[in-house]
Amino acid sequence: AQRVTQPEKLLSVFKGAPVELKCNYSYSGSPELFWYVQYSRQRLQLLLRHISRESIKGFTADLNKGETSFHLKKPFAQEEDSAMYYCALGGDYKLSFGAGTTVTVRA
Amino acid sequence: DAGVTQSPTHLIKTRGQHVTLRCSPISGHKSVSWYQQVLGQGPQFIFQYYEKEERGRGNFPDRFSARQFPNYSSELNVNALLLGDSALYLCASSWERIMNTEAFFGQGTRLTVV
Repeated sequence: AQRVTQPEKLLSVFKGAPVELKCNYSYSGSPELFWYVQYSRQRLQLLLRHISRESIKGFTADLNKGETSFHLKKPFAQEEDSAMYYCALGGDYKLSFGAGTTVTVRA
Repeated sequence: DAGVTQSPTHLIKTRGQHVTLRCSPISGHKSVSWYQQVLGQGPQFIFQYYEKEERGRGNFPDRFSARQFPNYSSELNVNALLLGDSALYLCASSWERIMNTEAFFGQGTRLTVV
């Protein structure tokens, strides 16, 4: 079974402070992990995926198979990072999403 | 390309009615998936269609059905609507059947059942 857990519903940080969004997963196969983001009044869109190992908008995420985690990090949060973030696990034919974390970056 | 398009954007139905939601994928994408998102939760998988065949089904009752047409557009049908079917319905398209590549989402259809 595929399962994704995002323990934090809400996260509030000040501009310039580091931000970390936690994601844990459960999957018996080789995981494909993603972070999707939804900005206000916009559609859900891909932020980054573990296989590409790249930094997007200053965000990085490392897959830790031992801890079954895929936490999202950014060293210096910006106001435009305020959004809803979803961790997702890609399986054979579906994406399994976590419940999401709402991030608010305060000036 | 306008991206994934869904229609209608909003819909109000009465309990017991039937509803059809439509989705047009990005040109060239053969995979279309449907997700239900209720307030406060992440999207929940309903169906995947690839090359006009159902390839996966989530834990939804038989009142939910879907199909994919030769042009790869798709319809989601829900019969005998319940209040609990009120949600945002998302359509996503991708190149592949296996979900290891980026999925592109539509804006969604907001269904309200009264």
